[in-house]
Amino acid sequence: KQEVTQIPAALSVPEGENLVLNCSFTDSAIYNLQWFRQDPGKGLTSLLLIQSSQREQTSGRLNASLDKSSGRSTLYIAASQPGDSATYLCAVRDDKIIFGKGTRLHILP
Amino acid sequence: EAQVTQNPRYLITVTGKKLTVTCSQNMNHEYMSWYRQDPGLGLRQIYYSMNVEVTDKGDVPEGYKVSRKEKRNFPLILESPSPNQTSLYFCASSLPTGLSYNEQFFGPGTRLTVL
Repeated sequence: KQEVTQIPAALSVPEGENLVLNCSFTDSAIYNLQWFRQDPGKGLTSLLLIQSSQREQTSGRLNASLDKSSGRSTLYIAASQPGDSATYLCAVRDDKIIFGKGTRLHILP
Repeated sequence: EAQVTQNPRYLITVTGKKLTVTCSQNMNHEYMSWYRQDPGLGLRQIYYSMNVEVTDKGDVPEGYKVSRKEKRNFPLILESPSPNQTSLYFCASSLPTGLSYNEQFFGPGTRLTVL
């Protein structure tokens, strides 16, 4: 059974720093992996989707990588800003869609 | 505008009173699904639908029903709600499973409280 883990559960970083969020999964037979952002009490906003054949995707200050063989994905955020404070979720898709529990990110002004 | 809509956004009800949460998407997506989100447990899939008249259980289907009579709509039905179904519910849609580019789009969420 696919399991998705995000470590750490929470992270505080001073503004301006670059940071990396981690997502690991147990079964490498996935179609894709998607990163989301969720603000408190709000819905999910899609950030990046990496197809199984891809190694990385970029959007603005965000870069997501995928290493299927090791069951890992990272979300790199460059030059962090207070507005980046949110919970970041990853989801892997095989026959089902399994979410990690998220990393709660706080950017310190 | 491409979107997934849910109604109602907030609902307070009592144990045993049947309710339906509607979900609609305008992107002609085949795949639709329902999730619940609870503190410490994350997002868990309740039911999903590969296409019209095709539905299947997710990880936590007990106490819920769904139907998919039209491609755009995927209502979630609680026949006899109980307090342990108090949660934040999300509907999502995407292109079919099996395609590597099938980005999920989420609705704004429905906060349900069962007293």
